[in-house]
Amino acid sequence: NAGVTQTPKFRILKIGQSMTLQCTQDMNHNYMYWYRQDPGMGLKLIYYSVGAGITDKGEVPNGYNVSRSTTEDFPLRLELAAPSQTSVYFCASTMQIYNEQFFGPGTRLTVL
Amino acid sequence: GQQVMQIPQYQHVQEGEDFTTYCNSSTTLSNIQWYKQRPGGHPVFLIQLVKSGEVKKQKRLTFQFGEAKKNSSLHITATQTTDVGTYFCAGYGNKLVFGAGTILRVKS
Repeated sequence: NAGVTQTPKFRILKIGQSMTLQCTQDMNHNYMYWYRQDPGMGLKLIYYSVGAGITDKGEVPNGYNVSRSTTEDFPLRLELAAPSQTSVYFCASTMQIYNEQFFGPGTRLTVL
Repeated sequence: GQQVMQIPQYQHVQEGEDFTTYCNSSTTLSNIQWYKQRPGGHPVFLIQLVKSGEVKKQKRLTFQFGEAKKNSSLHITATQTTDVGTYFCAGYGNKLVFGAGTILRVKS
């Protein structure tokens, strides 16, 4: 099993550009999450999904969108990139709520 | 809303010294999880505590869950350079909330 994979690893965007961060898991997990981690800070939940076709907002959803058309994939969309979205983005998954979360390697995004 | 506070923010120890990080929640938790993130890496699950007053050990690491299920601690005995990284607690109330983490640096 590859676990949770994320692409790209690094990306530099200009203000106003858009992009999609990809996340795929091969563990047949129902729950998937997107977090952002700013330097020296903890993880802030952006969006989460409890299964295909079901998504919901987390703590910091503004400026982002998600979709969950399959169990495996949970892409995160940035429509109009802003410098405040410079961060490291982690995708995570778990089989059931309350279980341990498995994290992907992260995407380092810089918006200039 | 639910908040999880973690202290200290940063600790620099000499190799062989002990290390403790503390986690406090504003609400009663269903369980608490601990994760470790190596520099440049991603969070990796260490352990989950569920019961009031629970204590679990993993080699030199000891994890405790408070009687009121609102606080937790991670203690590392005789730190090694391989222990460097950021240790996060994450508490489940009505949702999973991560603490800000404690950065551990070990000087050899």
